[in-house]
Amino acid sequence: SQQGEEDPQALSIQEGENATMNCSYKTSINNLQWYRQNSGRGLVHLILIRSNEREKHSGRLRVTLDTSKKSSSLLITASRAADTASYFCATAEYNQGGKLIFGQGTELSVKP
Amino acid sequence: DSGVTQTPKHLITATGQRVTLRCSPRSGDLSVYWYQQSLDQGLQFLIHYYNGEERAKGNILERFSAQQFPDLHSELNLSSLELGDSALYFCASSEVAGGNSPLHFGNGTRLTVT
Repeated sequence: SQQGEEDPQALSIQEGENATMNCSYKTSINNLQWYRQNSGRGLVHLILIRSNEREKHSGRLRVTLDTSKKSSSLLITASRAADTASYFCATAEYNQGGKLIFGQGTELSVKP
Repeated sequence: DSGVTQTPKHLITATGQRVTLRCSPRSGDLSVYWYQQSLDQGLQFLIHYYNGEERAKGNILERFSAQQFPDLHSELNLSSLELGDSALYFCASSEVAGGNSPLHFGNGTRLTVT
């Protein structure tokens, strides 16, 4: 079962533009994580934001978390062609013994 | 390089067969997770082990089983294979249990069932 739902499913932008991806989830969570996957490769961890945090930055990445709306967003600023990948949110639910459930992902294409 | 090693990289087998996928976690990580990724189902959580003990189970079929050994490597056994089991199988490891630390993914085993 999927916990997180990403929106949009696909996003195409030009280099230099900002990309925003959204994630909604259904239950209470301990934390929310964002991952990136290049085609056919393993996922790479980007950012972990805990349920008591509202915003987190890492380089060109900015993640927000709104637990009242059960949603998160990932902003990539000044995008580059190398940012082309699929981006997934993942949630760790309370009292679920370690399940980290991934959404369906947003496919980002950055055109040079 | 995540430090997580999965073998084999590719596996082609016939329906009804049994295969074993192997995962060596990153040095120092006690948690191992298994995921199945297919085009129609997305990334599905299968099972999580911490220091040899099963901690959480997802949508893992009865035909599938896993274990984590004392040296912390893990194996995922898939039996009575069906065409629909064709997928990328990922192993990931983390320092702690509970999904409270980042997961480090291997590059996966691509299973093709013919």
